[in-house]
Amino acid sequence: QQPVQSPQAVILREGEDAVINCSSSKALYSVHWYRQKHGEAPVFLMILLKGGEQKGHEKISASFNEKKQQSSLYLTASQLSYSGTYFCGTEYGQFYFGTGTSLTVIP
Amino acid sequence: EAGVTQFPSHSVIEKGQTVTLRCDPISGHDNLYWYRRVMGKEIKFLLHFVKESKQDESGMPNNRFLAERTGGTYSTLKVQPAELEDSGVYFCASSQDRRKTSGRSYEQYFGPGTRLTVT
Repeated sequence: QQPVQSPQAVILREGEDAVINCSSSKALYSVHWYRQKHGEAPVFLMILLKGGEQKGHEKISASFNEKKQQSSLYLTASQLSYSGTYFCGTEYGQFYFGTGTSLTVIP
Repeated sequence: EAGVTQFPSHSVIEKGQTVTLRCDPISGHDNLYWYRRVMGKEIKFLLHFVKESKQDESGMPNNRFLAERTGGTYSTLKVQPAELEDSGVYFCASSQDRRKTSGRSYEQYFGPGTRLTVT
């Protein structure tokens, strides 16, 4: 029931783009995205509630495809501050976080 | 507005001892969650309170873990007796009542976590 994320880890240079995928074996009704920096609490980025909907947060946006039971997080023109572990999450009764994607942005 | 707070920030105890973690949610948030992250792995759900009631405690690993939320305000998570595998970072999160957000899913606000080390 835990959503699976890919890739597990990615290293980018500043200014490069990245895509993080989140897939579920069960139907998705909503998808959350959070970012956790090392030693800090997870921070909410956005929620997607409808199929095909895209939400944005500065240079970070996401899409949600209910049919494919997938969500993708898009980071454009990455900044050093984007480094951290990204988690998707969804509710099946309890809340399930995805497996996580470690993203490192280097100068 | 104050965020979610947790106490202590770190705790080092010996196997067999007891530890109590505390979480103070954002004022007015009826939903309170406990999660655990072990060894940099995924974040695992432990339980969910709605006000003082346990809505879902299916993630609690065993009966050595006891969570309470008396009065629907702060919550405590007690581990007794602690085992080595209980080590990890325990996060608390809170969110608004779903009814206040038109029934939709709602963002969770996380506390800074308590790093528990059992030796």
